[in-house]
Order: sequence, then C-alpha cells, then structure tokens
Amino acid sequence: KAGVTQTPRYLIKTRGQQVTLSCSPISGHRSVSWYQQTPGQGLQFLFEYFSETQRNKGNFPGRFSGRQFSNSRSEMNVSTLELGDSALYLCASSLNLQVGGYTFGSGTRLTVV
Amino acid sequence: AQSVTQLGSHVSVSEGALVLLRCNYSSSVPPYLFWYVQYPNQGLQLLLKYTTGATLVKGINGFEAEFKKSETSFHLTKPSAHMSDAAEYFCAVSSGGGADGLTFGKGTHLIIQP
Repeated sequence: KAGVTQTPRYLIKTRGQQVTLSCSPISGHRSVSWYQQTPGQGLQFLFEYFSETQRNKGNFPGRFSGRQFSNSRSEMNVSTLELGDSALYLCASSLNLQVGGYTFGSGTRLTVV
Repeated sequence: AQSVTQLGSHVSVSEGALVLLRCNYSSSVPPYLFWYVQYPNQGLQLLLKYTTGATLVKGINGFEAEFKKSETSFHLTKPSAHMSDAAEYFCAVSSGGGADGLTFGKGTHLIIQP
C-alpha cells in the first residue's frame, strides 16, 4: 500500500514569495499533521487536520496555514517567505495512534534565498 | 504541556556493542510514546511505540524500549549495534488524542565505530 506522498521534494523560493506544499496520506487515514524540521529548533508541530477540520495548531505565525480536502489530502501554505522558513517540512498521517501511530512522508526541502 | 528530553546529542558505540539511547518525558496525561529513526535526506520511520499494555515494547531492527512511569523514561536499546544503525533517533510523546500531534526531543545522532 502506498505511503505518505509529499510533493515537491525540493523547492527554492525567494524571500517574500509564497509557497504551497502538498501531502497525500495513506489511503483511509483521516488525520494529517505537519512538522517543520530545522537544525536549530528541531522538529516542531505546525498543525493537525482531521476530516477537513484543523484541530490544533503549533506556535507559528499566521503566515503558516493549511487545509485538508474531502479526500484527506492536505496542503500547507507559507506566505511572505523569510530566510528562517528554510527547513524540511514533514507530513504525517494516522489512522489510529494505538494501531499504527503516525506514518511520515519523505518531506519537502524548502530553501528560501 | 508535554516535553521530551533526550540525553546526549551524539552517542558513539562500537559495532556489536549495546546501544542505549535515553529519553525522558513530561506529560500531564498518560502518554503515548514513540521512537523514530531518520536517515539522511529522508523522513521519519517508526521504530516502536508504547500506547497501553505491556511496558516492554519490541520494535523493528532488533530495537526495544521500556516504559517506566515512575522514572518518566522510555529508553531505547539494542543488544548489538550494526553499522546500518547509524542515523538520527527521535523520541516523541503524544497525549493520545492525536489532535496535538507529536512533541519531539532534539534527537540523538548514533555513530557506529567499526
């Protein structure tokens, strides 16, 4: 069965631009969460969606937003990019924490120049 | 609020030696605990998890971890290290509801000496 798919794998953007990242969860998984990974801050929770509803959001500015579609695919958007937004963005999907936990995608490496 | 502390940002062991990666957590509710491994330029792979039940949890690649509530610990062990175990390891905690995602430790880079 296909895993969590994130596109694109690599992205280079200029300061001030906006970017949209995509995540397709494992079939049947309705929970999708996003994380930012940087050398300085480590892995930080961005937000979590379940059945198209954002249930929780981490401590990030409003420039970071997301959504989930009826087929459970999710997108995250970062507006007015800053150099500090350069990071690996990871998406994870879950059916049930007790059964399978979270399954992560390979991530999107965003570089802001 | 939840937090995770991983002792030692780098751990070096010889091939064939015991691997011990330490993780302590803080949680106001019964925690769900996870260990993930990350290889360069890849996502996170689940090694094992504790949700309820048996406190000694066996995972993939010969790893295991023991949940000790009294010590708020969830240390990861492997009896005999292999060169392929060299990677970054992350301990994580969740409240179990899923909505708050995972809170990760800073990670431990495991180095295997030949």
